[in-house]
Amino acid sequence: EIVMTQSPATLSVSPGERATLSCRASQSVSSSLAWYQQKPGQAPRLLIYGASTRATGIPARFSGSGSGTEFTLTISSLQSEDFAVYYCQQYNNWPPWTFGQGTKVEIK
Amino acid sequence: QVQLVQSGAEVKKPGASVKVSCKASGYTFNSYGITWVRQAPGQGLEWMGWISAYNGNTNYAQKFQDRVTMTTDTSTSTAYMELRSLRSDDTAVYYCARTYYGAFDIWGQGTMVTVSS
Repeated sequence: EIVMTQSPATLSVSPGERATLSCRASQSVSSSLAWYQQKPGQAPRLLIYGASTRATGIPARFSGSGSGTEFTLTISSLQSEDFAVYYCQQYNNWPPWTFGQGTKVEIK
Repeated sequence: QVQLVQSGAEVKKPGASVKVSCKASGYTFNSYGITWVRQAPGQGLEWMGWISAYNGNTNYAQKFQDRVTMTTDTSTSTAYMELRSLRSDDTAVYYCARTYYGAFDIWGQGTMVTVSS
């Protein structure tokens, strides 16, 4: 099973600042990496797939990068609606497809 | 619009079974797979398994292999997830998600399953 490790667990950021979230895989997942955003009481929402492709309707301030074992989600200028929990997920090897434990982005 | 609508909340006793439904609309059902993911209270996301809506092939997480069955009904564009021998640690929100090459692009609203005596 591929273990996905996200850091930091919590990120405190002021509105308008840049946020950088990391995700590391225990072995290479190529570019088979997705990012999701989840707000309290809501289902997750797909932000990025293929490590760097924005999903339909996702604002350009969200960008993904990386390949192999190291990945980054960058939010260029945090808006109030971006404070949430973010999960990475690999889909290169299964079963199982695996998620990271999440990074909570909170208001500083 | 493309959406997945899940069945309502359930309360079950330990040892019972639960069957959650996920009705798709707005797209060609058998062109995509459906993944089931669960989330225990205050916890992260856990992948349970996947089913092809095209041919019914499944792939389950080993953790659930003996207790879960995923099915689809193409006549009603509905996917089902049955979990048996429920325990208190199965208390969670269960989500279905449309699966596109391993990424989950459309999610249901979630179904809360509570297991309590």
